[in-house]
Amino acid sequence: DAGVTQSPTHLIKTRGQQVTLRCSPKSGHDTVSWYQQALGQGPQFIFQYYEEEERQRGNFPDRFSGHQFPNYSSELNVNALLLGDSALYLCASSLEGTVGKGANVLTFGAGSRLTVL
Amino acid sequence: GQQVMQIPQYQHVQEGEDFTTYCNSSTTLSNIQWYKQRPGGHPVFLIQLVKSGEVKKQKRLTFQFGEAKKNSSLHITATQTTDVGTYFCAGYGYSNYQLIWGAGTKLIIKP
Repeated sequence: DAGVTQSPTHLIKTRGQQVTLRCSPKSGHDTVSWYQQALGQGPQFIFQYYEEEERQRGNFPDRFSGHQFPNYSSELNVNALLLGDSALYLCASSLEGTVGKGANVLTFGAGSRLTVL
Repeated sequence: GQQVMQIPQYQHVQEGEDFTTYCNSSTTLSNIQWYKQRPGGHPVFLIQLVKSGEVKKQKRLTFQFGEAKKNSSLHITATQTTDVGTYFCAGYGYSNYQLIWGAGTKLIIKP
């Protein structure tokens, strides 16, 4: 049973460029959440996708956008990169459903480490 | 907005000593989850607590959810080198789909 896969694992960009990160959720999961984790910090919620719609958004600017496809996979796009966008970007998938029955528990991918120069 | 405070930020212990981390939410939570992140790794789910006053054990790990569903703790008995990492609590409120994360407690084993 494949877990969450993310690509690429590492990438280097320069300020002002754009980046697209990809995520395939765990088999059977229908919800994808994206997190930004700076070195030594906890994960910061970017947004969550369910049924191909952005359902919830954290405190991130519009430069951060995403998409969910019919097969539940997802992309995170960041435009006009800033040095401060350098971080580990984590994708987490979960199954929508009743709390306490295994739903809404996050399975994380290994992340995409973005360096902005 | 809803916040989850987690303390301490770091805890240094000798191998074999106990470790405890505490989380406190500004609002009542529908449930709380705990994750562990090893150095260089990604968060891995440990457990979910749903009921008021719930206590769950996983070998040397004991998780508690407060009666008011606003606080939680993780206690590790007789730490081992394999316990090294950062432990995060994360809670769901009742009004949105966003999991609110604590800042994490880093467990460091003294050499």
